[in-house]
Amino acid sequence: EAGVAQSPRYKIIEKRQSVAFWCNPISGHATLYWYQQILGQGPKLLIQFQNNGVVDDSQLPKDRFSAERLKGVDSTLKIQPAKLEDSAVYLCASSGEWNTEAFFGQGTRLTVV
Amino acid sequence: GDSVTQMEGPVTLSEEAFLTINCTYTATGYPSLFWYVQYPGEGLQLLLKATKADDKGSNKGFEATYRKETTSFHLEKGSVQVSDSAVYFCALKRSNSGYALNFGKGTSLLVTP
Repeated sequence: EAGVAQSPRYKIIEKRQSVAFWCNPISGHATLYWYQQILGQGPKLLIQFQNNGVVDDSQLPKDRFSAERLKGVDSTLKIQPAKLEDSAVYLCASSGEWNTEAFFGQGTRLTVV
Repeated sequence: GDSVTQMEGPVTLSEEAFLTINCTYTATGYPSLFWYVQYPGEGLQLLLKATKADDKGSNKGFEATYRKETTSFHLEKGSVQVSDSAVYFCALKRSNSGYALNFGKGTSLLVTP
């Protein structure tokens, strides 16, 4: 079974530019999560989808971050404009049912210079 | 709000030494508790979990017991190997949050031959 796919693996941008990350969850998984992992810290949940609906986006900085999951399958996370403090690894995870184990992708490492 | 506190790293041990990584939590209700591991260059993987008080999670020689009276979930292994070198994250999940996780900051473990 294929795992959670994320792209790109690495991205370097200048501050004030925009960037987008893509996640393809495990086939059939209804719940999708985006996490931000800053160097030296644990992952922090940004947003949680159930199918194509947002369940929790309370920790998403909505002035610059947005995310969508239009068809309830893959998802994109966008940052516009980026700040230096957005440098982090962005992790996507998915789970089959609401309360079952979530599986993580390898993440996208963003460096903002 | 809910939170997890882990002991600071890095932890350096010789092969076959005993490992303890401390984890305490603050949460309302009855969270589930987890240990995740991140090997160099790889994604986050579930190591073990416990869903209620006094449960013991175990996997690959690692164990952790859910202690409600001390709000702790310490990770232990009797004899570490070089291949256990990784970053270990303690995490909790509220019962009504799907699989959205609150992670600790992580503890880096280096095992030397």
